[in-house]
Amino acid sequence: IVMTQTPLSSPVTLGQPASISCRSSQSLVHRDGNTYLSWLHQRPGQPPRLLIYMVSRRFSGVPDRISGSGAGTDFTLQISRVEAEDVGVYYCMQGTQPLTFGQGTKLQIK
Amino acid sequence: EVQLVESGGGLVQPGGSLRLSCAASGFTVSNNYMTWVRQAPGKGLEWVSLIYSDGSTSYADSVKGRFTISRDNSENTLYLQMNSLRGEDTAEYYCARMVSGTGYYWGQGTLVTVSS
Repeated sequence: IVMTQTPLSSPVTLGQPASISCRSSQSLVHRDGNTYLSWLHQRPGQPPRLLIYMVSRRFSGVPDRISGSGAGTDFTLQISRVEAEDVGVYYCMQGTQPLTFGQGTKLQIK
Repeated sequence: EVQLVESGGGLVQPGGSLRLSCAASGFTVSNNYMTWVRQAPGKGLEWVSLIYSDGSTSYADSVKGRFTISRDNSENTLYLQMNSLRGEDTAEYYCARMVSGTGYYWGQGTLVTVSS
């Protein structure tokens, strides 16, 4: 399954919203009825960190200004008000073998 | 507290071997679905291998036949044996504990450089 993210780069003003899209080459609805689409955030020099799993479930400690949505093949990560700590690269990931990732979207402050 | 600590990376010549380790604490490796993911310098994330709690394994086509994932239950450690290494295997290697189809927890990574 090929994961395609847009945009690949996103300059954003602090306090403004940001949105990243992820499209899969086939439906991510698993035979068990769940959709294993997650979003990861990676700061420079750091490992990836989980933000959202199963499309819209926030991982422990993730602020509620970060949200995920979507279904089937189209998914979106939204940040309602960008803060300085949000800079880095965001990846979508699908959890059906073989696991695959989007190319990454670099979020930077204008 | 869940912790994953990778080790074993380094500089190796093409055709050589390395064994990466991922020492876990705060949970039991053998009861979990674990994976290795790598990231070439300046590039994105690439899945490498996984092992389920029942011991079944899976590999990316790019490493199949060269890499072997395993675990030591007594040491609570995950391993990745890498043989016949190539320049394109140069990357930071991360282990992760998988839950709900994604990496819930990630280690800090260990760097593998394949070069003569």
